[in-house]
Amino acid sequence: DAKTTQPTSMDCAEGRAANLPCNHSTISGNEYVYWYRQIHSQGPQYIIHGLKNNETNEMASLIITEDRKSSTLILPHATLRDTAVYYCIVRASGGSYIPTFGRGTSLIVHP
Amino acid sequence: EAGVAQSPRYKIIEKRQSVAFWCNPISGHATLYWYQQILGQGPKLLIQFQNNGVVDDSQLPKDRFSAERLKGVDSTLKIQPAKLEDSAVYLCASSLVMTHNTEAFFGQGTRLTVV
Repeated sequence: DAKTTQPTSMDCAEGRAANLPCNHSTISGNEYVYWYRQIHSQGPQYIIHGLKNNETNEMASLIITEDRKSSTLILPHATLRDTAVYYCIVRASGGSYIPTFGRGTSLIVHP
Repeated sequence: EAGVAQSPRYKIIEKRQSVAFWCNPISGHATLYWYQQILGQGPKLLIQFQNNGVVDDSQLPKDRFSAERLKGVDSTLKIQPAKLEDSAVYLCASSLVMTHNTEAFFGQGTRLTVV
């Protein structure tokens, strides 16, 4: 699997958009980009995933660059409850699906 | 839909003692994972089951850790004997099938402290 690089920590004002970057420069053509988050004392929670096209759901938007070497998770209107560690994961389409987590980005949303 | 259930929520044991964790995945989920999360780190996969068969246990310290999923539903993870470095949160996750396009659902975890 391609490795990912994320900033260790970020902060964001409540009500503003939170933009979390992820670098995956060694990604291959059949690898998807997944985002999970982990709120304190809870298990990780799936947010969104994509291959090439930008994706949006009720939680967030995922913007993948044209060369697919980086992506950005966007929380359009961050709330205090979005304070969590956000993990960017790259997974191949074939074979077994085993979510492998790095250290992620610790996002703090402040009032 | 009920989520992934884990018990106990917390456990404190002395080193060299034994401990067991239990996981009940979401109904109908064929794939079950156990992860270890040490404080300040991301979760690390220990073992993956597909129904009652082991798919990947390459990172399971087999000299002291064991896991089973006898009927392809519930699973238990055991540590015997425990070491101080086993202090961590043990997370169980399940997914419907074993493909890239399926999200994994996680339980709240069991926080183990070895003293």
